[in-house]
Amino acid sequence: EIVLTQSPGTLSLSPGERVTLSCRASQSVSSTYLAWYKQKRGQAPRLLIYGASSRATGVPDRFSGSGSGTDFTLTISRLEPEDFAMYYCQHFRTFGQGTKVEIK
Amino acid sequence: QVQLQESGPGLVKPSETLSLTCNVSGGSFNNYYWTWIRQSPGKGLEWIGNVFYSGITNYSPSLESRVTISVDASRNQFSLKLTSVTAADTAVYYCAREGGCSGGTCYHYWGQGILVTVSS
Repeated sequence: EIVLTQSPGTLSLSPGERVTLSCRASQSVSSTYLAWYKQKRGQAPRLLIYGASSRATGVPDRFSGSGSGTDFTLTISRLEPEDFAMYYCQHFRTFGQGTKVEIK
Repeated sequence: QVQLQESGPGLVKPSETLSLTCNVSGGSFNNYYWTWIRQSPGKGLEWIGNVFYSGITNYSPSLESRVTISVDASRNQFSLKLTSVTAADTAVYYCAREGGCSGGTCYHYWGQGILVTVSS
């Protein structure tokens, strides 16, 4: 069973900063099946990225995804107030434990 | 616009069966996998299982012995039954549509989620 480990657990940042979130798989995986989600408190997750690097419809271009093999990243080029949330990576039927991006 | 809506009891007694339904509106019901995912309070996301519109199912190995997912394509809805529940099954349960990911697995559409508490 593949395990996805996200790091760091929590990031404290200011609006306008650039942020890179990491998702590491316990073994090499197909990037076709790698997705990223954003979840705000009390809401369902929202798909941001699929296929490791394709933005979902309506997702701002400040969000980008990259990676292959075991290492994947989600980058937010410039944090907006609405970006402070939990972020999860997903491969096939497995989710990472999440990274919290909080306001510093 | 595809919309999903979970319904069912918010409180279930230990050892009883949790039953939820997801109603789907907008878009096509056919040719997609329909999925249940849960999130325990303060925890991450756990995939429970899915059902193809034709009735083919897949379940999480850790829950397979207690889970049944069924579909009624004529009514654009699918259901989850989880037997012998314990406090560990307390969670927000989401229904979601799998697909539209260029051959991969992702979930573009989600229900709002329903909190199910297991307690006597």
